[in-house]
Amino acid sequence: AQSVTQLGSHVSVSEGALVLLRCNYSSSVPPYLFWYVQYPNQGLQLLLKYTSAATLVKGINGFEAEFKKSETSFHLTKPSAHMSDAAEYFCAVSEDTGFQKLVFGTGTRLLVSP
Amino acid sequence: DAGITQSPRYKITETGRQVTLMCHQTWSHSYMFWYRQDLGHGLRLIYYSAAADITDKGEVPDGYVVSRSKTENFPLTLESATRSQTSVYFCASSDSGKLEEKLFFGSGTQLSVL
Repeated sequence: AQSVTQLGSHVSVSEGALVLLRCNYSSSVPPYLFWYVQYPNQGLQLLLKYTSAATLVKGINGFEAEFKKSETSFHLTKPSAHMSDAAEYFCAVSEDTGFQKLVFGTGTRLLVSP
Repeated sequence: DAGITQSPRYKITETGRQVTLMCHQTWSHSYMFWYRQDLGHGLRLIYYSAAADITDKGEVPDGYVVSRSKTENFPLTLESATRSQTSVYFCASSDSGKLEEKLFFGSGTQLSVL
């Protein structure tokens, strides 16, 4: 079965600093990988996805992620954090069923300080 | 309003009672999903449905029952609630369920079983 591991349940950055949220996946077949964001008291929203096209994927709100097969990683980055980026971020991988039967990581809460 | 809505937003019940969580989407999406979100586990798939009258188990189906008599509705029933079912429940939908498509989430139902 496929799985994802998110390193760090909490990440704290200052406003304007680089954001790096880590995600490693386990898969025996080429994976589809996703990053979702959850703002307080809301459902999840898709940030970006990797579907075997370009390895560097750009998403909404200035986020991007790079698929590195050799490292089985799909880390999420943003050059400059904004206060509005404070949220919980989930990495997810699809099982090889041909449809969106996602397996989620445990989440990383991003804290942004002024 | 168009979109995916869940009700109730909050629910408190007692052990042994039957509880039904509602999910309604206005897009006529084929696929619908139920996830539960718990600290340390992220989101886990309970049940999903590929179309009306077609449902299947996810990762953690025990203690839950679903039905899908109409495309737009996907209720989740806890037949005899237990404390371990205290969680935040998210419903989601997508059009064809293809991996390239976006998954839309509701705002969640926070369930407490006393």
